[in-house]
Amino acid sequence: GAVVSQHPSWVICKSGTSVKIECRSLDFQATTMFWYRQFPKQSLMLMATSNEGSKATYEQGVEKDKFLINHASLTLSTLTVTSAHPEDSSFYICSAPWQNQPQHFGDGTRLSIL
Amino acid sequence: KNEVEQSPQNLTAQEGEFITINCSYSVGISALHWLQQHPGGGIVSLFMLSSGKKKHGRLIATINIQEKHSSLHITASHPRDSAVYICAVKQGAQKLVFGQGTRLTINP
Repeated sequence: GAVVSQHPSWVICKSGTSVKIECRSLDFQATTMFWYRQFPKQSLMLMATSNEGSKATYEQGVEKDKFLINHASLTLSTLTVTSAHPEDSSFYICSAPWQNQPQHFGDGTRLSIL
Repeated sequence: KNEVEQSPQNLTAQEGEFITINCSYSVGISALHWLQQHPGGGIVSLFMLSSGKKKHGRLIATINIQEKHSSLHITASHPRDSAVYICAVKQGAQKLVFGQGTRLTINP
């Protein structure tokens, strides 16, 4: 079945650094991928839709310059949290739809900014 | 008011009990998903349905489009079923809107 791989699974870094998270579709091509953010004991919130070969579509309230998304190939989308601060600490997860099948989720990245 | 509402928010039951989690939505949808999120965070899609009923093992999902309501049932519940169950509705092409989740704990 379709698999989405997300890396890294967790990151701890100092305030001010930039962190890149990768989301790969392993056995299918994904022209669209979604990036979500989840705070503890809350549900997922869509941050942006990543479109292969074009600019990402960001949800209202999400800073484009803060959360850079690149979807340069049909199997890879990256989310870069720039100049990360403690308030950016969260669980980030990607998903990719495939044909008419349910969406396939990565395992998520737990980001902790010190 | 959220577009997708789940109930209950938390549910604790004994092993073997029949479990029902409800989801109501207020927007037009093309499909509804039931997702399972384990403590580590990973999410598994359990069902995607747009009408009627689907069954997979001990899990059953139903949807009533007219009433804008879906239920997820677990028969003969087991401690390994303990997880957060999330209802999500698909609007348009692929975008999902999520409920707040139901935290299920099954005690041995």
